[in-house]
Amino acid sequence: AQKVTQAQTEISVVEKEDVTLDCVYETRDTTYYLFWYKQPPSGELVFLIRRNSFDEQNEISGRYSWNFQKSTSSFNFTITASQVVDSAVYFCALSEVHQTGANNLFFGTGTRLTVIP
Amino acid sequence: DAMVIQNPRYQVTQFGKPVTLSCSQTLNHNVMYWYQQKSSQAPKLLFHYYDKDFNNEADTPDNFQSRRPNTSFCFLDIRSPGLGDAAMYLCATSRERSSGYNTDTQYFGPGTRLTVL
Repeated sequence: AQKVTQAQTEISVVEKEDVTLDCVYETRDTTYYLFWYKQPPSGELVFLIRRNSFDEQNEISGRYSWNFQKSTSSFNFTITASQVVDSAVYFCALSEVHQTGANNLFFGTGTRLTVIP
Repeated sequence: DAMVIQNPRYQVTQFGKPVTLSCSQTLNHNVMYWYQQKSSQAPKLLFHYYDKDFNNEADTPDNFQSRRPNTSFCFLDIRSPGLGDAAMYLCATSRERSSGYNTDTQYFGPGTRLTVL
């Protein structure tokens, strides 16, 4: 069964601090995809990154970086030099491919990040 | 510029009064999804359309139905809303699985927040 755990329910940091959001997943599939989404107060889920299970290279995009470690089933997300605009709920998700060809996304419970000016 | 559009953004209905939520997309994606997200919880998949084929999740109540008259539009019908159906309803789209285990990213609309009085 697919499962995503985000143990950190809420995190508060002061602006310009670095912060890491943890994500641990469980799956029996050998091929799978992992995602991070951002949900600001407006409610829309904004796609941040997708990583497939065969690609363990870490990725950096501006102030965002992701650390994928298959050995520990983790896909952690770091924001460097946090800003107030980073305040949001962040969801980690795991996908399995439905028999129809669609993707079933299994979300973690989310981490609410508050960046204090 | 909006790729996945949901109307209305806020919907108030009365207990037991049918309500329809709308989603449209400009991405020409094969697959459209409906999620329910209750306060402080992760989004939960209700069902998806793969082209015209409807796929219901096993635990989605019968009270929830969906229609997809064409590629661009998808509707969520709640036949007799109860107080427990108050939530954010998110529509998402993705391309079909192209080959092998390729799975594509889901792009979300801004959501419709439903209040049941």
